[in-house]
Amino acid sequence: EVHLVESGGGLVQPGGSLRLSCSASGFTFTNYLIAWVRQAPGKGLEWVANIKQDGSEKYYVDSVKGRFTISRDNAKISLFLQMNSLRVEDTAVYYCARGYSYMDVWGKGTTVTVSS
Amino acid sequence: DIQLTQSPSSVSASVGDRVTITCRASQGISNWLAWYQQKPGNAPKLLIYAASSLHPGVPSRFSGSGSGTDFTLTISSLQPEDFATYYCQQANTFPYTFGQGTKLEIK
Repeated sequence: EVHLVESGGGLVQPGGSLRLSCSASGFTFTNYLIAWVRQAPGKGLEWVANIKQDGSEKYYVDSVKGRFTISRDNAKISLFLQMNSLRVEDTAVYYCARGYSYMDVWGKGTTVTVSS
Repeated sequence: DIQLTQSPSSVSASVGDRVTITCRASQGISNWLAWYQQKPGNAPKLLIYAASSLHPGVPSRFSGSGSGTDFTLTISSLQPEDFATYYCQQANTFPYTFGQGTKLEIK
């Protein structure tokens, strides 16, 4: 069965850093682009970033450019999101999701809370 | 960025009803549009991609149509498990964007 499992969320102070991970199973990881999508409490979905199969191309929403870095380790079948200079408005559930244009498999999410 | 505006923001309906949700893009996106269903506490699920293609495993009562700037999601006969929030998403241009969501509630 196809699975994505996120980890690494937690409580962090404004200006702090956090690294999220997403582990994959049940499919050929190197065949797929993977994305991060977030959802602030009580709000809608926001696409954050995605990365091509070989990591050669990465795209970000403007609000995280220069602060977040998406990466992947195909040998470890894992996706990462390094989040620096965190802001209160980055508080959200972060999902990893499979797919380039349309996201057909989603993890259950990991919660990031930015608060002093 | 391309803005997606869904209407209505919420709708009340009964089991067996036919429901239509619309999504309007701020500029043309061809058929680069998907629809997702999300239930409280759960991750979104892909329903429709490329505006009108049904994702495998999704019941045939769900259908999508449209091209350019105007799109619709139709549920032909509501079932109890369909009460959820629905989002459209454009994949024409980075950054990808979602509509604000339509909450479908039981009347």
